[in-house]
Amino acid sequence: GALVYQYPRRTICKSGTSMRMECQAVGFQATSVAWYRQSPQKTFELIALSTVNSAIKYEQNFTQEKFPISHPNLSFSSMTVLNAYLEDRGLYLCGARRGHLSNERLFFGHGTKLSVL
Amino acid sequence: QQKVQQSPESLSVPEGGMASLNCTSSDRNFQYFWWYRQHSGEGPKALMSIFSDGDKKEGRFTAHLNKASLHVSLHIRDSQPSDSALYFCAASDVGDNSKLIWGLGTSLVVNP
Repeated sequence: GALVYQYPRRTICKSGTSMRMECQAVGFQATSVAWYRQSPQKTFELIALSTVNSAIKYEQNFTQEKFPISHPNLSFSSMTVLNAYLEDRGLYLCGARRGHLSNERLFFGHGTKLSVL
Repeated sequence: QQKVQQSPESLSVPEGGMASLNCTSSDRNFQYFWWYRQHSGEGPKALMSIFSDGDKKEGRFTAHLNKASLHVSLHIRDSQPSDSALYFCAASDVGDNSKLIWGLGTSLVVNP
């Protein structure tokens, strides 16, 4: 079956420091990877979408300078939260899609829960 | 303004009962709808998609889409305590199906 692993499950960092999180697709090739942040109130914000053979597209309010993403192959992606502050707290979710069709579901990992002190 | 709105915010049903969740889009470009379920401490998991008008049934779950009113619903028959979770409706644009717009979720509690 298709699985997505995220590491670490939870992390705490000091305000102003950076934190890297990883996403691994197992059992399938992820043609696109979407990074989301789920707030403590459970709302989803799309940070960026990374698609094979295309540039990474960042959403408004999110920048490459703050959330650099690496997507070196079809099974792995990583994202770093640079210079983290309280407003960056939340559950960071990686969702991977197998194909390009509109009926392809996103497979999510458990997420990386980021706390900032 | 929230482009995908869900109701109710929370719902409590007895075990064996029917749970009905609603979702409405305010953007006519959103033609593809998904229902995702998220248990506590986990990432969301896709339950089912619906792209055409009418009903789609998968086991105890039935989704209904009315494109004219941009309304989609999810009905869970014979609800089980394990169905207790957050349910999210997500929609994608016909022009850009890679991007999902999420509702704020419905919290479902099934009481044994």
